Parts: sequence; structure tokens; C-alpha cells
Amino acid sequence: KQEVTQIPAALSVPEGENLVLNCSFTDSAIYNLQWFRQDPGKGLTSLLLIQSSQREQTSGRLNASLDKSSGRSTLYIAASQPGDSATYLCAVRPRGAGANNLFFGTGTRLTVIP
Amino acid sequence: NAGVTQTPKFRVLKTGQSMTLLCAQDMNHEYMYWYRQDPGMGLRLIHYSVGEGTTAKGEVPDGYNVSRLKKQNFLLGLESAAPSQTSVYFCASSTRDPQNIQYFGAGTRLSVL
Repeated sequence: KQEVTQIPAALSVPEGENLVLNCSFTDSAIYNLQWFRQDPGKGLTSLLLIQSSQREQTSGRLNASLDKSSGRSTLYIAASQPGDSATYLCAVRPRGAGANNLFFGTGTRLTVIP
Repeated sequence: NAGVTQTPKFRVLKTGQSMTLLCAQDMNHEYMYWYRQDPGMGLRLIHYSVGEGTTAKGEVPDGYNVSRLKKQNFLLGLESAAPSQTSVYFCASSTRDPQNIQYFGAGTRLSVL
């Protein structure tokens, strides 16, 4: 069974800092990996999706990388802002049986201090 | 743009009571999903549907039933609620392509006393 781990569980940084969130997964047979943002009391919003054949994806101040062979992904946030404060979740979609099931990490709760 | 809408947003049940959570999507997506989110655990798939009239079990299906009578709606039922079903429930939908993104509703917070 796919296991997804996110470290750290919580992170607090001053505004303007660049930061990296980590995600690791145990089975490299994946279709894709997604990073989501979750605000308190809200649903999940997809930030970036990396296909298994890709190494990275960028959207604005966000850059996500994928190293499938080592089972790792990172989400890089440049010039952090207080509005970036949220919980960030990564999820992998496996290949083969269970391809309809996303496996989620427990998230990293980010606080950006003004 | 409504996207994925879940009702109700909050509910408190007593042990043994039943209820139905409703998910509606207006994006004409073929696939729909029900997840639960518990503290210290990632979201886990309860049931999913790949089309009208079809449903399948996910990772944690016990104690839940689902129905997809219309393409735009996916219902999650609890026949006899238990305290272990206290959780936040999320519905999502996506197109058929497995590479595509799942779109999530805002969630239903359920407490079973």
C-alpha cells in the first residue's frame, strides 16, 4: 500500500522568506503527484500537478519538483506572504489497481508571519 | 461557478441515527469520490463512482453506502452512525482521464455523539 509522508508537520517563517515543503512516497509506480492547499474550514484547492514523466512544474511563486525514482517531491514557495498561510497536502495517484484512489499525506501547516 | 457543492456543512448525530450527505457537481464530470479526513491522517477514500449507476469501494468503505442515480449527484449514507465516523467528509469530482485534477467541495463536518 502506498504511504505518503510530509515533513515537517508545521512550519513558521517570516514574510519574504523562501521555503521548501517535502513529500515522500513509498511506491514509485504513480501516474502523477499533486500539491493541494487547504484553508481552515475549506475544501482542497489544487496548486500543481506533476505527471510521472515530468521533473517539475511552476505556477507563479510556486515550483514543484518530482524525483519518482527516489519517491520524493518538494514544493518551493518563493518570497512567502501571509496569504500563503494554509495547510499544504501532497497526493499521489498510483498506476494499475487503485488508480482511482489518491493517497494523501497528512500535510504541512504553514504560517507566514507578517 | 458552483463547482462541487456539499450539503449540509455541519451535522451532529446521536449514535445509531442515520443520515445522507449530498454532493452535487456542475462540471459534467464522470468520476466522483467521497473522502474522510481525520486528525493526524491523510484524506482516505471511502467510495467512488466512475459513472451514473456505478459505485465502488475505496480504502475505508465499512459503515457507509453510496448511490449515483444522476451523473451530477453522489450521495453518501450512514445507516447507523458510530462515534468512529466523526470526521470531515469531502466530495470530489474529476473527468475520466486519470491524469486530471480532482475538484473538491468545502466539506461536511460530522460529529457523532
